[in-house]
Amino acid sequence: DVKVTQSSRYLVKRTGEKVFLECVQDMDHENMFWYRQDPGLGLRLIYFSYDVKMKEKGDIPEGYSVSREKKERFSLILESASTNQTSMYLCASTEDTGELFFGEGSRLTVL
Amino acid sequence: DAKTTQPTSMDCAEGRAANLPCNHSTISGNEYVYWYRQIHSQGPQYIIHGLKNNETNEMASLIITEDRKSSTLILPHATLRDTAVYYCIAKPNAGGTSYGKLTFGQGTILTVHP
Repeated sequence: DVKVTQSSRYLVKRTGEKVFLECVQDMDHENMFWYRQDPGLGLRLIYFSYDVKMKEKGDIPEGYSVSREKKERFSLILESASTNQTSMYLCASTEDTGELFFGEGSRLTVL
Repeated sequence: DAKTTQPTSMDCAEGRAANLPCNHSTISGNEYVYWYRQIHSQGPQYIIHGLKNNETNEMASLIITEDRKSSTLILPHATLRDTAVYYCIAKPNAGGTSYGKLTFGQGTILTVHP
């Protein structure tokens, strides 16, 4: 069964902390994505990657960075967490089929 | 991507077919219709997509009208586990990372009752 695994379902961090969200897929997909999902704002694309070490900004990259050192792993980094980054974070991957595979999500609370 | 319009909520009895409509009257010729769903506190799940022909897979059927201005997602025998928000999206199939540039609207909250 195909799978996208996100490292933590729930995290609580303090303002100013560095936060790492990890995502691993086992489908050998080229393309991986990070989104955040907030009530009333829908799904918003933060960053995406189409190959190892390649990354591109999505619609809301400010305050975030990403790392893709291996094909199966795409990490989202919050260098200095702020309260407005409290959200549900979703990782997804796809090949050229039009079908996006999502992880279960990581719910981050920044105090 | 073309704008899509869906009812805010729908109910369905367990074991009956759930028919979820979507209006996409401004869809262009190269835009596909995609359906995803999201069960509470989980990540979205792909269901099905199509261009102009009807499509069926193990989860659902997608019926697209001949003028492509609307479509219906059919869950043939709804179960309690099908209770979720269902999203209809119209977007081009430009390949690769373009698939990830999704815009989820408000969707339809489907509640399946025992």
